[in-house]
Amino acid sequence: AAGVIQSPRHLIKEKRETATLKCYPIPRHDTVYWYQQGPGQDPQFLISFYEKMQSDKGSIPDRFSAQQFSDYHSELNMSSLELGDSALYFCASSLERYTEAFFGQGTRLTVV
Amino acid sequence: EDKVVQSPLSLVVHEGDTVTLNCSYEVTNFRSLLWYKQEKKAPTFLFMLTSSGIEKKSGRLSSILDKKELFSILNITATQTGDSAVYLCAGRAWNAGNMLTFGGGTRLMVKP
Repeated sequence: AAGVIQSPRHLIKEKRETATLKCYPIPRHDTVYWYQQGPGQDPQFLISFYEKMQSDKGSIPDRFSAQQFSDYHSELNMSSLELGDSALYFCASSLERYTEAFFGQGTRLTVV
Repeated sequence: EDKVVQSPLSLVVHEGDTVTLNCSYEVTNFRSLLWYKQEKKAPTFLFMLTSSGIEKKSGRLSSILDKKELFSILNITATQTGDSAVYLCAGRAWNAGNMLTFGGGTRLMVKP
């Protein structure tokens, strides 16, 4: 069965650079959400989209923005990267807002 | 602020043992509680619980929710080394769409 696809799997950026992470939800899923997981920490909710509209906002820094496109894929744009942004970034998708969420494999971002 | 707490933080058992993982939550307008297994990368969905007292079962894993006492347990019987992982529980509120509030996880190690 198709799963949530994230790209790239690994990304190394320098401080103050910009990064774009992509997420392709499970087919027919209309809801996407982004989580950040630092080393040894549990996932922290960043932002979510339902039917291409932002639905909830968590602890997403102002330097980050995201959107969901007409094909339901989502992109997380991260600017002015800081060392503390180094983390695993997970995207999850669900069919409608309250069903179970399935996670992608994550993008490991390292800021040097 | 919503809060999810898991216990124990870590657990070491031998193959064949039975383990019980605990999750307590304080989620305003609680909707559902989800359990995930996280090995090296992405959390893998296990269960979603919305009704109190109804056990969900999948193979050697089972889980139940107590909405009166605000907790859930995840049981794993006849543990195997492949069960070694971090087990995350997450609460979801009615008015928070897809945002999951995760607990800190329980790190389970199953020794041969």
